[in-house]
Amino acid sequence: GAGVSQSPRYKVTKRGQDVALRCDPISGHVSLYWYRQALGQGPEFLTYFNYEAQQDKSGLPNDRFSAERPEGSISTLTIQRTEQRDSAMYRCASSAGTEPYNEQFFGPGTRLTVL
Amino acid sequence: DQQVKQNSPSLSVQEGRISILNCDYTNSMFDYFLWYKKYPAEGPTFLISISSIKDKNEDGRFTVFLNKSAKHLSLHIVPSQPGDSAVYFCAASEYSGNTPLVFGKGTRLSVIA
Repeated sequence: GAGVSQSPRYKVTKRGQDVALRCDPISGHVSLYWYRQALGQGPEFLTYFNYEAQQDKSGLPNDRFSAERPEGSISTLTIQRTEQRDSAMYRCASSAGTEPYNEQFFGPGTRLTVL
Repeated sequence: DQQVKQNSPSLSVQEGRISILNCDYTNSMFDYFLWYKKYPAEGPTFLISISSIKDKNEDGRFTVFLNKSAKHLSLHIVPSQPGDSAVYFCAASEYSGNTPLVFGKGTRLSVIA
């Protein structure tokens, strides 16, 4: 594809429901990152993958959050038993994985609202 | 504890003048720095980067300066254009490979015609 795509663009859910956010990276990109962005803040790291391997999940807030990238392409971020504090913009980025550059290309984000 | 700080939430500049956006960092392990630009309802877009082995990188109207001893970098835009109005994020990583970025809170630049 031409760029990173994310779906859905907007998700409204009730507290306690599970949600799955999808990221489709730029074709051929090795690395895929998930960030969360609160209003008035910069993106904050959640987790990232090289190919299908999850390299670092230290940014995931708690065990209700998980992510996978089973075939090294599309990734899903899942939030179980959502809470109101999970409301934020969730951003996905991908990078080619060729050094020395760490240029990450961001998708448009998924705006999650938990009622 | 913010490792990347953008202390000016907003900046207004006249068209044609220079815009200077500043960024400070605290982590001495940061080795690679980037600036992203963000328009409303879009994701951040990569603008320019600099490795810690350099003190300046220039790309057209955009120049990034790095002062390692002061742990400070700045983005200069000259001449500023109305289309430059956006939120600018400073970001850093511990090396230039595939590592997560640490972002500042952003500075909203308004270029006035």
